[in-house]
Amino acid sequence: QVQLQESGPGLVKASETLSLTCTVSGGSISSYYWSWIRQPPGKGLEWIGYIYYTGSTNYNPSLKSRVTISVDTSKKQFSLKLNSVTAADTAVYYCARALGRVQDWFDPWGQGTLVTVSS
Amino acid sequence: QSVLTQPPSASGTPGQRVTISCSGSRSNIRSNTVNWYQQLPGTAPKLLFYSTDQRPSGVPDRFSGSKSGTSASLAISGLQSEDEADYFCATWDDSLNGVVFGGGTKLTVL
Repeated sequence: QVQLQESGPGLVKASETLSLTCTVSGGSISSYYWSWIRQPPGKGLEWIGYIYYTGSTNYNPSLKSRVTISVDTSKKQFSLKLNSVTAADTAVYYCARALGRVQDWFDPWGQGTLVTVSS
Repeated sequence: QSVLTQPPSASGTPGQRVTISCSGSRSNIRSNTVNWYQQLPGTAPKLLFYSTDQRPSGVPDRFSGSKSGTSASLAISGLQSEDEADYFCATWDDSLNGVVFGGGTKLTVL
């Protein structure tokens, strides 16, 4: 079955750019939407955005000015860039496959990776 | 402040039935189906329900999902110790044009 694995630096300095990659294995990246979701320590979940394998995207309006999600189908990877980070961006970042009529449910999820923003 | 409102905590004893609510608005729950996730301690969320009441394979039928108007509910009957987890509701919001989550409910099995 499809499995996802996040990778990237666990520590990012404030004002710099957070960059993460999600690698898809056990299935095709094509014909699906792929999403990023984050969870600050001890808090709830926040949807960041999604990308279709063709490259079309949709972002959370509250993060839209700072977020870029891209896809590389040849590597079966999609990536997240979040610029001008602050301590509020410290969170566990999850990648997931987005399904449903409006890509509103997520299955499966990666194990998540903690990114800490340091000052 | 989450767009969807859930009680921060819920509890029950083994064998009991517990219900977790999720309150939204016309632009989200009333207009779209609801999804639920279970997050066991230290793990990634796992899909529990999609399209309000559809259970992925492997989810016990002790779990049920429903929706009425601008609210949704997750019910767990025959509560078991392994059900102790955080539960999150989520749906599409037509006004925000994105997915919104509830703040999560921590379920404790006493």
